[in-house]
Amino acid sequence: DGGITQSPKYLFRKEGQNVTLSCEQNLNHDAMYWYRQDPGQGLRLIYYSQIVNDFQKGDIAEGYSVSREKKESFPLTVTSAQKNPTAFYLCASIGDRRQPQHFGDGTRLSIL
Amino acid sequence: AQSVAQPEDQVNVAEGNPLTVKCTYSVSGNPYLFWYVQYPNRGLQFLLKYITGDNLVKGSYGFEAEFNKSQTSFHLKKPSALVSDSALYFCAVRDNTGGFKTIFGAGTRLFVKA
Repeated sequence: DGGITQSPKYLFRKEGQNVTLSCEQNLNHDAMYWYRQDPGQGLRLIYYSQIVNDFQKGDIAEGYSVSREKKESFPLTVTSAQKNPTAFYLCASIGDRRQPQHFGDGTRLSIL
Repeated sequence: AQSVAQPEDQVNVAEGNPLTVKCTYSVSGNPYLFWYVQYPNRGLQFLLKYITGDNLVKGSYGFEAEFNKSQTSFHLKKPSALVSDSALYFCAVRDNTGGFKTIFGAGTRLFVKA
C-alpha cells in the first residue's frame, strides 16, 4: 500500500542536541511538507518542497532545517537553536495541487 | 497572505442532531479548500474538498460542506451526528495561483454526546 512513513514515533532530545525526523513516501508525489502541531494552535507550516533539491520556508522555519535529495524523502532536522521543540510533527505530501494532502502518523518530540 | 480561521475551539452536539463546524478563509485568488479529521496520536485524514463547481460538496462518512464565496466561508456539516464523529477537525486552504503552500486552521474539537 502506498503511504507516508514517519519515524521514529517518539523522540527525545537532550539540551544542545540536533535531532532528525524521517519522512518517506512511496506515492510518487512531488510536493512534501512538514507541520508542527501544538495544542490549541493547529498545524503550523515549517517547510515545504515542491520538487527535488528545492524547498521553501513556511511560517515557523527558524530553528529547523530540511533537505530534499530524493523525491521519496524529506527529513527534518530540529536544531539546538529551536528552544521549544516539544510538539507533534507531521509530514505530508501531494502529487497534484488540486488534491488533498496525505499525512503520516507523526513523530512526538520531547525534551529530556 | 493565506489564513484560515476556525472560530470555535469546541463544538458540542447530541447524537442524532445536526452539526456544523465553521471555517472562514483569506487567500489571494480563488481557493482550494479542504476538511480533515484527526484522531488522537494520528495523522490527518481527508474528508472533503472544494476545487470548483457546485458550492455544496459531499465527502466521507456523511459529511458535507458549503462553499460561500461572498462570505469566504466553508462550513462543515452533517445532518445527524454520531458519537464516533467525536474528533479534531481542521480546515485548510491553498490558493490556485500555482503554489503548493497550504495553511491550516487551529482546529475545532467536536464532542458528540450519546
